[in-house]
Amino acid sequence: QQQVKQSPQSLIVQKGGISIINCAYENTAFDYFPWYQQFPGKGPALLIAIRPDVSEKKEGRFTISFNKSAKQFSLHIMDSQPGDSATYFCAARGNRDDKIIFGKGTRLHILP
Amino acid sequence: AAGVIQSPRHLIKEKRETATLKCYPIPRHDTVYWYQQGPGQDPQFLISFYEKMQSDKGSIPDRFSAQQFSDYHSELNMSSLELGDSALYFCASSGLDEGSYNEQFFGPGTRLTVL
Repeated sequence: QQQVKQSPQSLIVQKGGISIINCAYENTAFDYFPWYQQFPGKGPALLIAIRPDVSEKKEGRFTISFNKSAKQFSLHIMDSQPGDSATYFCAARGNRDDKIIFGKGTRLHILP
Repeated sequence: AAGVIQSPRHLIKEKRETATLKCYPIPRHDTVYWYQQGPGQDPQFLISFYEKMQSDKGSIPDRFSAQQFSDYHSELNMSSLELGDSALYFCASSGLDEGSYNEQFFGPGTRLTVL
């Protein structure tokens, strides 16, 4: 059973557009929700993270929106650039846990 | 800034052989985590260590073992290798000085190929 469900599996966006990736979770013990960006052959790099007491967090062109009641969160990439083309993973972690549980990933391709 | 170092970066082994992967955490980080990522898959947590003690355990096969040493580096030992062990193995580290989120920072990974 996938504890963190991510969609879409792949996404194509025009340069300058907005990329939106959605995730949902069931475990209410999760209290930390990071997003990772991964390029082929590289390790996941922490992009931005949020805790459930905040509904939105913005860092540059990247924004996380968090809906605690719906147990959903999303990543918005504004003014998407070809260099943003990568695989994005949403993830979650409980406050008593070490392990990060990843979604299945979204392969994002930004058209030049 | 210093990052997590993993060695070797690539490793090719035969079935039933053993492999040892090494991880050197970011300086002053005291916790290391190991993840396995199959082709086209999401990373799966294997095991973690805090102050040289195992702190959490995930879906790590009994054929695998790991430890953290006094200098905080960690080694993942894999025995009786199977074809299905071919994957990218990531180490991540964290430390309290990274803020209240205890963010995990990932290394570049070791690509293990079992023939």
